[in-house]
Amino acid sequence: GAVVSQHPSRVICKSGTSVKIECRSLDFQATTMFWYRQFPKKSLMLMATSNEGSKATYEQGVEKDKFLINHASLTLSTLTVTSAHPEDSSFYICSALSGRAVNEQFFGPGTRLTVL
Amino acid sequence: KQEVTQIPAALSVPEGENLVLNCSFTDSAIYNLQWFRQDPGKGLTSLLLIQSSQREQTSGRLNASLDKSSGRSTLYIAASQPGDSATYLCAVPGAGSYQLTFGKGTKLSVIP
Repeated sequence: GAVVSQHPSRVICKSGTSVKIECRSLDFQATTMFWYRQFPKKSLMLMATSNEGSKATYEQGVEKDKFLINHASLTLSTLTVTSAHPEDSSFYICSALSGRAVNEQFFGPGTRLTVL
Repeated sequence: KQEVTQIPAALSVPEGENLVLNCSFTDSAIYNLQWFRQDPGKGLTSLLLIQSSQREQTSGRLNASLDKSSGRSTLYIAASQPGDSATYLCAVPGAGSYQLTFGKGTKLSVIP
């Protein structure tokens, strides 16, 4: 149990386009999900906290108008990178709070975004 | 602000050896600590979670310990195998928050 999926796993797009990444909790409900960004050989950097039914909370330095987050249901959060630029190229990973007593987070397999 | 440090940054061992990965954190007011594994280009796989009230957790060949007062955790891997090669990350949630702060990881290579 506690499986999180992401779609797509890999995407290549042109500069100026928008890209949507989906994060789904497959076998549990998650009122809270998190979006991370990871640069090569670096650790994960939290971008924002996604709460079902309310606005996302963004970390300092993360542009909310560029990285749109929608947590429309208890099993789905989406991250839309708007007007993508090459510097947005990165590995994006989501996680979902399990809601179990231990409040464990489960992570998706990640999405590799390349902006040309 | 919570800071998490992992030592060593990289480790190479021959197959069959037992090994220890270290994690330290600056703010001991945590309510759990998680160890993850990340394979190249992949997401994170949760290995073990230790609650602040626990001192250790075991799963197969893995054993994680937690000394909250000293701000340290160790991940012990017994009888290492080439398939254990990956980057191991430890992470703790912030005070009053579920947001995780990660260490930079230890890249483990197990040589056949």
